[in-house]
Amino acid sequence: DVKVTQSSRYLVKRTGEKVFLECVQDMDHENMFWYRQDPGLGLRLIYFSYDVKMKEKGDIPEGYSVSREKKERFSLILESASTNQTSMYLCASSPLSSPLHFGNGTRLTVT
Amino acid sequence: RKEVEQDPGPFNVPEGATVAFNCTYSNSASQSFFWYRQDCRKEPKLLMSVYSSGNEDGRFTAQLNRASQYISLLIRDSKLSDSATYLCVVNMRNTNAGKSTFGDGTTLTVKP
Repeated sequence: DVKVTQSSRYLVKRTGEKVFLECVQDMDHENMFWYRQDPGLGLRLIYFSYDVKMKEKGDIPEGYSVSREKKERFSLILESASTNQTSMYLCASSPLSSPLHFGNGTRLTVT
Repeated sequence: RKEVEQDPGPFNVPEGATVAFNCTYSNSASQSFFWYRQDCRKEPKLLMSVYSSGNEDGRFTAQLNRASQYISLLIRDSKLSDSATYLCVVNMRNTNAGKSTFGDGTTLTVKP
């Protein structure tokens, strides 16, 4: 069974802090994704990666960056956290054009 | 116009009812289609893929109409445990990776 693990379930950070969200998958999938999910706005793609060191912007990349140094790990970075980045963050992985497998999410609160 | 649109509901149905959800997509180049289920405060989980010829998995039937650009999910004999949000997902393949676009979800509540 595919396992996607997000490092934290709940996180509380202060405005202006640098925040790292980590995601690890154990199925050697090429693709990894970061989404955020907000009430009334659904799931929105922040960034995705199709290979080590490769990344592409999703629909809402502003205020975020990503890092993929190893195939199994995809990190989302909030350079300077702001209150409007309070959200549920979901990492996912997949082989090419196959369904996504999600981690169980990180609920981030920025105060 | 959103790339993937769903009726948000909520759908409130009694146990045993049959309920159907529709989803429309705007990009005719879309290649693969899925239904996900998401329980409250949990991650989305794949319910079923949607194939051109239609497919069934127990009480669940999915259909795709490429000409009209919509997919549907039919749930027969609803159970209390079917209460969840159902997300329609459309994949497009770009040069490097498949990109999934999610609908906002349809909320189903099955009542005793």
